Amino acid sequence: NAGVMQNPRHLVRRRGQEARLRCSPMKGHSHVYWYRQLPEEGLKFMVYLQKENIIDESGMPKERFSAEFPKEGPSILRIQQVVRGDSAAYFCASSPLGQGLREQFFGPGTRLTVL
Amino acid sequence: KNQVEQSPQSLIILEGKNCTLQCNYTVSPFSNLRWYKQDTGRGPVSLTIMTFSENTKSNGRYTATLDADTKQSSLHITASQLSDSASYICVVSATGSGTDKLIFGTGTRLQVFP
Repeated sequence: NAGVMQNPRHLVRRRGQEARLRCSPMKGHSHVYWYRQLPEEGLKFMVYLQKENIIDESGMPKERFSAEFPKEGPSILRIQQVVRGDSAAYFCASSPLGQGLREQFFGPGTRLTVL
Repeated sequence: KNQVEQSPQSLIILEGKNCTLQCNYTVSPFSNLRWYKQDTGRGPVSLTIMTFSENTKSNGRYTATLDADTKQSSLHITASQLSDSASYICVVSATGSGTDKLIFGTGTRLQVFP
C-alpha cells in the first residue's frame, strides 16, 4: 500500500515559466490538501480538494496559482509565471472519506527552485 | 490571529536521555492538536492526535500532553535514539465547515548525539 506520492521531487524553473506539481493520494483517499513551506517557516495551508471539487482555497494566492483533483489521475498544483518568492517545498497530504477526525498523510514534497 | 508557537527552537541531547518539547497555541475554535515528526527532506509523519477531551496520549516512546485551559501542549521523548533526530512540529486544527484546516508551528529541531 504505497503512501502519498509526489513528483517531481525537485523542480527548477526560471522566472516566468510554469511549474506543475503532481500528487497521487494514498489508495482509497478522496481528500487532498496542499501546503507550502518557505525556508525556516512552518507549513502553510493552501488548498483542500475532493475529487473534481475545490472545497477550500483560502490559503492559495489569488493570482498565478491553481489546483485541481480530476476524477482520474493525480491532483495538480499549477503555478504560472513563477517568481523567486515561489521557491519553497510544496507538500501534499491525503485523508480518507469519513466523518470525524481525519488523519492526514503527507507526501515527501516537491522542492521548487526558481532561478 | 491563529498561531502556534513552539520552544525551544532547537535542542541537542545525548542518546538515551529524555527531553520535552513545548507548544503554545492561540487557535479558535479549537478542534484537535497533533504532533508530527519531520525528517530532513521528508514529509511530516503523525505521532499523536488529541481532541479537547484528551489530556495525554502515547505512541511508543513519545507522550503528548494537552492542557486546553492554558492552551499548552508538550511532547515528551523517552530514552532518545539517534533516529529521533528530526524536526517536531505541533499542529492545531481549527474547526471549520468540515475542513480540517491545520495550523503549523515552526517546529523544534532535535539533534541526538551518541
